[in-house]
Amino acid sequence: NAGVTQTPKFRVLKTGQSMTLLCAQDMNHEYMYWYRQDPGMGLRLIHYSVGEGTTAKGEVPDGYNVSRLKKQNFLLGLESAAPSQTSVYFCASSYVLSTDTQYFGPGTRLTVL
Amino acid sequence: AQSVTQLDSQVPVFEEAPVELRCNYSSSVSVYLFWYVQYPNQGLQLLLKYLSGSTLVESINGFEAEFNKSQTSFHLRKPSVHISDTAEYFCAASGSARQLTFGSGTQLTVLP
Repeated sequence: NAGVTQTPKFRVLKTGQSMTLLCAQDMNHEYMYWYRQDPGMGLRLIHYSVGEGTTAKGEVPDGYNVSRLKKQNFLLGLESAAPSQTSVYFCASSYVLSTDTQYFGPGTRLTVL
Repeated sequence: AQSVTQLDSQVPVFEEAPVELRCNYSSSVSVYLFWYVQYPNQGLQLLLKYLSGSTLVESINGFEAEFNKSQTSFHLRKPSVHISDTAEYFCAASGSARQLTFGSGTQLTVLP
């Protein structure tokens, strides 16, 4: 039981490049989330999904897109990376949207030059 | 929307001393409250949560937090800390919007 996994762990991009972050969970959770963590700002929700084929915007969605084609996977895409997107990205999943524990992946450290 | 304020960004404390990490949330008709812990270079892990019922909740490693509705607070306490408690601690709240809102985090450093 791997829990929540994220690939890659580290990535350096140049401004304007694109990339996709992959999150996978093996707990059969309905809900999945993408957060970004910046110093002194805690975690901010980018997008989330309440089930296969559905996605919704969080607090800071601009510049990101997501897809949930399979229940166990949640992809985060950056179409044209900007230095302001340098951050640590965390994926999480849970059974219930508001009251249940969220299980987090180990994070992806992204640097945009 | 919920807002969560963690009043201290850094808390240094000596080993075996007590510690309190403060958290205040914006008032809501119903609110669920959480404390998560992040060890270096890892993701967040749930420490404890308040959903309803008893206002005092405990974790398996000696932390406790008390839900205080009148003061809109959910402070985290431990009577005696260990070096291994060094980590960043995040308070989070979920209300009518059904999304978790995190505080900015408190870095707890336990000194020998």
